[in-house]
Amino acid sequence: DVKVTQSSRYLVKRTGEKVFLECVQDMDHENMFWYRQDPGLGLRLIYFSYDVKMKEKGDIPEGYSVSREKKERFSLILESASTNQTSMYLCASRPSVVYKPGNTIYFGEGSWLTVV
Amino acid sequence: EDQVTQSPEALRLQEGESSSLNCSYTVSGLRGLFWYRQDPGKGPEFLFTLYSAGEEKEKERLKATLTKKESFLHITAPKPEDSATYLCAVQFPYGGATNKLIFGTGTLLAVQP
Repeated sequence: DVKVTQSSRYLVKRTGEKVFLECVQDMDHENMFWYRQDPGLGLRLIYFSYDVKMKEKGDIPEGYSVSREKKERFSLILESASTNQTSMYLCASRPSVVYKPGNTIYFGEGSWLTVV
Repeated sequence: EDQVTQSPEALRLQEGESSSLNCSYTVSGLRGLFWYRQDPGKGPEFLFTLYSAGEEKEKERLKATLTKKESFLHITAPKPEDSATYLCAVQFPYGGATNKLIFGTGTLLAVQP
């Protein structure tokens, strides 16, 4: 089974702090994603990466950055946390051959971030 | 604008009462439609992928179908453990390596014993 592991399930940070959310996948997937999920808004893509050191902005990249130094690890960085970044953050991974049956996006358990 | 709309937003069923959830999309060039189940406080869990109109997939009490404009998730004789939020996502053929997924906002299903 595919496993996507997010290092922190629950975090409470202060406004202005730098926040790191870590994600590791164990299936050698090329593509990795960071989403945030808010009530009524669904899942929104923040950033994704299709290879080591490669990244592209998603729909809501403002206030976030990412790092992918190794294939299995994708980090989301909040440079200066703000209260409107309080949310559930979901990491996901997927193989690059997207049309092969069964090749879907697999999600981690999520990280609940509260910024006070 | 490409959109994915799920209905209803919430559905309450009695145990054994079959029903259907809807996912409609407004785009051409669909490259796949995915259904996920999400339990409270957890990440989405993959259920099905559908690639072409007329395709059907089944798993236990769930059956997913696809037409050119929408997908249905049919739940037959549901049990309380089927209670969850069901998410639909559509994959569009945007350029490069993206193959972007657009998610609906989900249907919250509650099955009462």
